Amino acid sequence: EADIYQTPRYLVIGTGKKITLECSQTMGHDKMYWYQQDPGMELHLIHYSYGVNSTEKGDLSSESTVSRIRTEHFPLTLESARPSHTSQYLCASKRGGSYNEQFFGPGTRLTVL
Amino acid sequence: QKEVEQDPGPLSVPEGAIVSLNCTYSNSAFQYFMWYRQYSRKGPELLMYTYSSGNKEDGRFTAQVDKSSKYISLFIRDSQPSDSATYLCAVAGSQGNLIFGKGTKLSVKP
Repeated sequence: EADIYQTPRYLVIGTGKKITLECSQTMGHDKMYWYQQDPGMELHLIHYSYGVNSTEKGDLSSESTVSRIRTEHFPLTLESARPSHTSQYLCASKRGGSYNEQFFGPGTRLTVL
Repeated sequence: QKEVEQDPGPLSVPEGAIVSLNCTYSNSAFQYFMWYRQYSRKGPELLMYTYSSGNKEDGRFTAQVDKSSKYISLFIRDSQPSDSATYLCAVAGSQGNLIFGKGTKLSVKP
């Protein structure tokens, strides 16, 4: 089983709240990713990082922000949650190189009321 | 046109059946092709990956890539109820990310 963790696993909050979804990995991977997954739809890349102090936006426009201060930690923040942010958020990591397996965390299922 | 297309199913088969799952992709530059399996309330886990064209076998699973037709397949032999999950095909994108199909939900009935 992959050593990549996400907390919380489930979160129900009201509109306008600020939230941070945590993601940590203990594999020393340089590259980390956040994907958004809605039922019956593709996983979409929303943020990625090549290493410490590196963050980039993915293909899917997102109002969230990320930071990468430590190699093992890649939190995602929503400053003001809205019902349209309701989704499953998946964090992943991989070693650098042309191809290496991407390991996924268990996901955070977010519901914004 | 989406970069990866996958029939979302659902697909229901009896135990012991041979299952065929398929995807198509649009960009001939893609070189790495993956199949992930996702159980309910879990993150995806890598099942198999293939570089370029050809077949790869691992136990009851065979992954096949035909680059001439931009077609990706996964075959499951002697399917088991424990194979019931969503199967996601993916290709490796330029940023090291994965570009996924919608996933096919498979149910194997005892």
